[in-house]
Order: sequence, then C-alpha cells, then structure tokens
Amino acid sequence: GQQVMQIPQYQHVQEGEDFTTYCNSSTTLSNIQWYKQRPGGHPVFLIQLVKSGEVKKQKRLTFQFGEAKKNSSLHITATQTTDVGTYFCAPPGGGNKLTFGTGTQLKVEL
Amino acid sequence: ETGVTQTPRHLVMGMTNKKSLKCEQHLGHNAMYWYKQSAKKPLELMFVYSLEERVENNSVPSRFSPECPNSSHLFLHLHTLQPEDSALYLCASSQDRTTSVRQYFGPGTRLTVL
Repeated sequence: GQQVMQIPQYQHVQEGEDFTTYCNSSTTLSNIQWYKQRPGGHPVFLIQLVKSGEVKKQKRLTFQFGEAKKNSSLHITATQTTDVGTYFCAPPGGGNKLTFGTGTQLKVEL
Repeated sequence: ETGVTQTPRHLVMGMTNKKSLKCEQHLGHNAMYWYKQSAKKPLELMFVYSLEERVENNSVPSRFSPECPNSSHLFLHLHTLQPEDSALYLCASSQDRTTSVRQYFGPGTRLTVL
C-alpha cells in the first residue's frame, strides 16, 4: 500500500530563516494537498498541486510537485512568527480518501 | 472560517458516560468526515458520509457511533470510552468525497476521558 513520509518531524528556526518540509510517497500521486494547523487550531487548506513539476506560490510560500509526482515540498522564505504551526501534506490514499502525513512542526524564534 | 462548527469545544467524561459530539456545516457540502487527532500521531480518518450515507468506517470501535441525519449535520455518539480515546476530534466537510477537493475542518472537540 501507499506510504507517505513527511520530513522533518520538527524544525526550529530563527525568524527570517528559510524553512522547507518534504513529503515523499512510495507511489505516484494524482494530486497532493497541503494544510496548516496552528497551535490549538484545526487544519486549514493551503493549496492543491495536480500537474507534474508544478510550482505554485503564495506570498512567501512556494509549493512544488515532483516531476514523477511522488514527492512534494513546501518552502517558506524568511519565516515569521505567524508561520508557526504544523504543516501536513495530504495525498490521496486508497478508497478515495485523503491520507494525512505525520506533519512537520515549525517553531520560529525571534 | 466559520463554515464548519463543532460543539462542544471541550468535553470531559467518565468511562461510563454517554455523550455526543455535534458538527454542522454551512457550506452546502455533500460529504462529511470525522477524524481523530492524538498527540504525535497523524490524523486518523474515522468515518465518511456522502449524501447522508456512511461510505467509510475505518475499523473504528463500536463505542463510537456516527449519525448523519441530513447533509448539514453530523454526530458522533460516545459510550463507554477508554482513557486512550482522549484526543481532538475533528469534523470536516467537502463538496464531494473525491480526493481532488479541499476539506474544510471545524475547530474540533477536545475530549478527555477519565
């Protein structure tokens, strides 16, 4: 069955530093979604990637979908304290449902 | 976002109690979900309803009983829970149950079982 690994599990950065989280699948994905969960909050949809090699930007966030559609990444440029939270990738799993990754918890220090 | 609401936000119950969690979506969606989020674990899908019909039950113990009386409301009835059931229970909805549409999550119910 499909296995999804998200790395790193934790990342602690100084404000202004960049941050990247990676999501790797053992199988080819039709699409992948990304969600963010603030501390004490609930997951909020960020973006969906569908095409091979796709790159999408949202202000300081850059999302990429690998050419083979087996991996994806989220890069944040010049982190701010508002970026604190856990970032989840969510590719389709079996049975027409989303499979959420283990998440990367980002902490930003002033 | 206030498209998906959940009540109560916090719940403490004993192992012999019976309680219910409520979820309501105001987005006109056709699919609704219950997820369990425990510390240091990925989100676990519990149940999926599509057009008020349960289409997914991920081997959830029978002490959790879902109910979907209409497309806007979803309940999770709880009885004789165990301490390991303590977690954040999240409700979500989506336009349909395909994986190409985004899910909208409610704020969750933080459940503590004593």
